[in-house]
Amino acid sequence: KAGVTQTPRYLIKTRGQQVTLSCSPISGHRSVSWYQQTPGQGLQFLFEYFSETQRNKGNFPGRFSGRQFSNSRSEMNVSTLELGDSALYLCASSLGLGDSGANVLTFGAGSRLTVL
Amino acid sequence: AQSVTQPDIHITVSEGASLELRCNYSYGATPYLFWYVQSPGQGLQLLLKYFSGDTLVQGIKGFEAEFKRSQSSFTLRKPSVHWSDAAEYFCAVGERNTDKLIFGTGTRLQVFP
Repeated sequence: KAGVTQTPRYLIKTRGQQVTLSCSPISGHRSVSWYQQTPGQGLQFLFEYFSETQRNKGNFPGRFSGRQFSNSRSEMNVSTLELGDSALYLCASSLGLGDSGANVLTFGAGSRLTVL
Repeated sequence: AQSVTQPDIHITVSEGASLELRCNYSYGATPYLFWYVQSPGQGLQLLLKYFSGDTLVQGIKGFEAEFKRSQSSFTLRKPSVHWSDAAEYFCAVGERNTDKLIFGTGTRLQVFP
């Protein structure tokens, strides 16, 4: 079956602009989460959505937001871009049920954002 | 606060040699532990996970990991490394019924022929 699909794969923006990244989860997965990966800070959790509701949020400023649609697809938005927002943004999906413990995530290939 | 430490930033091994990647975690409750691998320009691929039970878990690509609660460690091993194993390896700890993972800083593996 198809994996987690993220679009676009690469994009370049300038400071002050905003950006929207899209994520299509694996069919049947109801939970989508987002991570930021940078050389300096590593992999950091942004937020998690389950059944269109934000279930968990990391320690990021309000410029970072997200949403999930009824078909489980998710978008994240970053407004007023700063140079430090340059990163690989990874989306992951899971069944979201956690029946046997933590959710097992499947990651997409990521969207690489460069802010100039 | 939860944390994950991977003490080795960079490891170099010869093809065919054994591999051991260290991971230590700090977590108050039952840890749910993962090892992921990331090839250049790619996302993360799950190698294996530990939730409970047998402390030696088998994963994909010939990897295994050993959980030691007394040492708060989750060590990844492979008996014989292939050149295609060159990548970055991340250890992570998760919580019950959430997608939130705390990742270590990663260990970059280089394999020489």
